[in-house]
Amino acid sequence: GQNIDQPTEMTATEGAIVQINCTYQTSGFNGLFWYQQHAGEAPTFLSYNVLDGLEEKGRFSSFLSRSKGYSYLLLKELQMKDSASYLCAVSDSNYQLIWGAGTKLIIKP
Amino acid sequence: GAGVSQSPRYKVAKRGQDVALRCDPISGHVSLFWYQQALGQGPEFLTYFQNEAQLDKSGLPSDRFFAERPEGSVSTLKIQRTQQEDSAVYLCASSLAPAGANTGELFFGEGSRLTVL
Repeated sequence: GQNIDQPTEMTATEGAIVQINCTYQTSGFNGLFWYQQHAGEAPTFLSYNVLDGLEEKGRFSSFLSRSKGYSYLLLKELQMKDSASYLCAVSDSNYQLIWGAGTKLIIKP
Repeated sequence: GAGVSQSPRYKVAKRGQDVALRCDPISGHVSLFWYQQALGQGPEFLTYFQNEAQLDKSGLPSDRFFAERPEGSVSTLKIQRTQQEDSAVYLCASSLAPAGANTGELFFGEGSRLTVL
């Protein structure tokens, strides 16, 4: 079967750094995506990785290792507005997105 | 429009009622997806349209669920004889490219929250 695993909840302090991990087992791989979803709102696109390595975009970076079926999202200089759920999703062999349950990130002052 | 628009934002239905949820994607977007999202879970795929063609409906949970996009723009998700387990947020997303050429940036609407009593 297809499976995306990520921690249910994480807590971090304003100004700090947090890493949210995602492991996956899917039928085929056509890229891995991270989305941010604030409570009661639509998911918004953060990043896309299809090759191994680190993609940096401002305070957010995303890493992929296809051989390990592993990715992480790194958030630096955390701000209170970063409190949200972070969803990992993998595009499978049919180019359909398989979604994880999301990691709820709580930022404390 | 500027973004993906869904209506109604909230719908309360009695068990057994039929409901229709509307999605107005970004103009010119080829791909349109419907997802079901339960509280505290990630979106679950329901169906995919490329223009007016429904290319994948493997995620529809039963034959009570039906989706259409007759002119390749607005889409409607219809649920017949609603059941309590249908209570969820129904998200619509669109993207400019067909799924096979997609770099992943889906634009989501804010969802329709369905509560079946």
